[in-house]
Amino acid sequence: AQTVTQSQPEMSVQEAETVTLSCTYDTSESDYYLFWYKQPPSRQMILVIRQEAYKQQNATENRFSVNFQKAAKSFSLKISDSQLGDAAMYFCAAIYSSASKIIFGSGTRLSIRP
Amino acid sequence: GAGVSQSPSNKVTEKGKDVELRCDPISGHTALYWYRQSLGQGLEFLIYFQGNSAPDKSGLPSDRFSAERTGGSVSTLTIQRTQQEDSAVYLCASSLVPGSVLFFGPGTRLTVL
Repeated sequence: AQTVTQSQPEMSVQEAETVTLSCTYDTSESDYYLFWYKQPPSRQMILVIRQEAYKQQNATENRFSVNFQKAAKSFSLKISDSQLGDAAMYFCAAIYSSASKIIFGSGTRLSIRP
Repeated sequence: GAGVSQSPSNKVTEKGKDVELRCDPISGHTALYWYRQSLGQGLEFLIYFQGNSAPDKSGLPSDRFSAERTGGSVSTLTIQRTQQEDSAVYLCASSLVPGSVLFFGPGTRLTVL
């Protein structure tokens, strides 16, 4: 079965510090995309970052970057210089070439301490 | 419109009633998805449309749930004879083509009393 696992239900970080959210996935396919989505209290899902599996270079978007370890099937999100506005639920997600639906992890609730 | 819109934003209904939830995807997006999110939980896949057809209905939890899409645009998710366990936020998302980035609507919060 194709699964996405987030083992950290909750995380907390001091403002301006760096935090890493973990995600692992399970698939036998070679062609897939990985995503991190953010869901603030407004419940609007927002794309944070995307990684193509065929690319070795880790994706970055400003303060957000990923550590993509294909062999280990790991896709963690690093948030640098955390800001109060980063507080949200973060979902890791994957879409595989054999299926058209995106599979989501259970989410990590991130809180920022001022 | 500029983004995915959903209506209503909130719906309160009595157990046993039918409800219809609407989704307007981004213009030109061929793929449309419905997900359900229970309180504090992750996203549960319900159904996916490519154009007006639904190649994957595997996530619909029971035959009380149905969905359609017309004109390759608007989609309606219908829940018949609602039950309390149907209470959740129903999220709609669209993408340009299947497998590309999903853009989500703000969701409909359904409460079944």
